[in-house]
Amino acid sequence: DVKVTQSSRYLVKRTGEKVFLECVQDMDHENMFWYRQDPGLGLRLIYFSYDVKMKEKGDIPEGYSVSREKKERFSLILESASTNQTSMYLCASRVQNSGNTIYFGEGSWLTVV
Amino acid sequence: GENVEQHPSTLSVQEGDSAVIKCTYSDSASNYFPWYKQELGKRPQLIIDIRSNVGEKKDQRIAVTLNKTAKHFSLHITETQPEDSAVYFCAANSNYQLIWGAGTKLIIKP
Repeated sequence: DVKVTQSSRYLVKRTGEKVFLECVQDMDHENMFWYRQDPGLGLRLIYFSYDVKMKEKGDIPEGYSVSREKKERFSLILESASTNQTSMYLCASRVQNSGNTIYFGEGSWLTVV
Repeated sequence: GENVEQHPSTLSVQEGDSAVIKCTYSDSASNYFPWYKQELGKRPQLIIDIRSNVGEKKDQRIAVTLNKTAKHFSLHITETQPEDSAVYFCAANSNYQLIWGAGTKLIIKP
């Protein structure tokens, strides 16, 4: 059974803080993703990674960066958190190939005050 | 680039009735169309998918149909039950990515 684990489910951070959201998958998947989910806006892609040390910008990368030093771990970094980054963040992974199932983590609810 | 439109944004049906959610896509090269269900407070999970070499696929009470010519695909849920209440997302692959619809909130009325 595929497991995608997001270490923090609920976070409250102050404006200007640096925030790390961690994601680990246990299925040796090449591709990993970070999405942001807001009501009425669906799933918006922030960054994705085809493989270790590779990263590509998605649709809304501004204000975010990522790190993928190991195949199983993909981190999302908010360099200086702002209130408009209050959202639910979803990590996902899949075996290489866009025709394969994407598996999601449980999500991280971030509130920036 | 690929654009996926999903309708309706909210669908309310009587328990036991059928529900249909429709999506259209723009990239004629898309060949994989999954549907995900997200229950309140939970992660999206794949419920059914279809590839472009078939026109319909069924799994118990859910089915997906694909019309490649018209570039649209639909999710059909029959005999709806309370546990079908959720947000449903369609997607289409394009350039190694999945492009997502905005989601449909399905409400099952008792």
